[in-house]
Amino acid sequence: QKEVEQNSGPLSVPEGAIASLNCTYSDRGSQSFFWYRQYSGKSPELIMSIYSNGDKEDGRFTAQLNKASQYVSLLIRDSQPSDSATYLCAVGGTSGNTPLVFGKGTRLSVIA
Amino acid sequence: DAGVIQSPRHEVTEMGQEVTLRCKPISGHNSLFWYRQTMMRGLELLIYFNNNVPIDDSGMPEDRFSAKMPNASFSTLKIQPSEPRDSAVYFCASSYLARDEQYFGPGTRLTVT
Repeated sequence: QKEVEQNSGPLSVPEGAIASLNCTYSDRGSQSFFWYRQYSGKSPELIMSIYSNGDKEDGRFTAQLNKASQYVSLLIRDSQPSDSATYLCAVGGTSGNTPLVFGKGTRLSVIA
Repeated sequence: DAGVIQSPRHEVTEMGQEVTLRCKPISGHNSLFWYRQTMMRGLELLIYFNNNVPIDDSGMPEDRFSAKMPNASFSTLKIQPSEPRDSAVYFCASSYLARDEQYFGPGTRLTVT
């Protein structure tokens, strides 16, 4: 059973701080990794994808991947109240026909 | 380009009634997914299709649930008969390949009284 684990939170950070969201996965052969943001009452929205070890930066967001440790993280710099949402980690399988496995999400609250 | 389209956005029905949810995936995407989301259970994959063929329906909770994809641009999820515990938000998502990033529709909020 492929699993993706996230701390459910809530994770509370003050405005302007760095928010760090973590995710671990069980399938060592996983090749693709995604972060989705879901505002209350809305659908999940893709915000980052990462495929190789290391860091990938996009604006205030940085995704980090460590395949040896089976660990993915998302850093949000200069957190804003508008970043308050649930963040879902999703992990792709080893074959083209294997769908993403989603974690249950971490709820982030940015306090003004 | 239009994203994933779902209808209706809200559905309120009485226990025992048939409910049909509809989805139009992004043009050119080969995989389509149906999810259910509740506070208690999070996002659950119900069934997914590759090239209009159902691949894995192990997430479908009961025989009351069925899904079809008659062509590349349309899918339905049917619940018959509906029960109050089916109340949830149902999302449709599509991707180019099953392992690729998925794009979600706005969801259908179903309430069964």
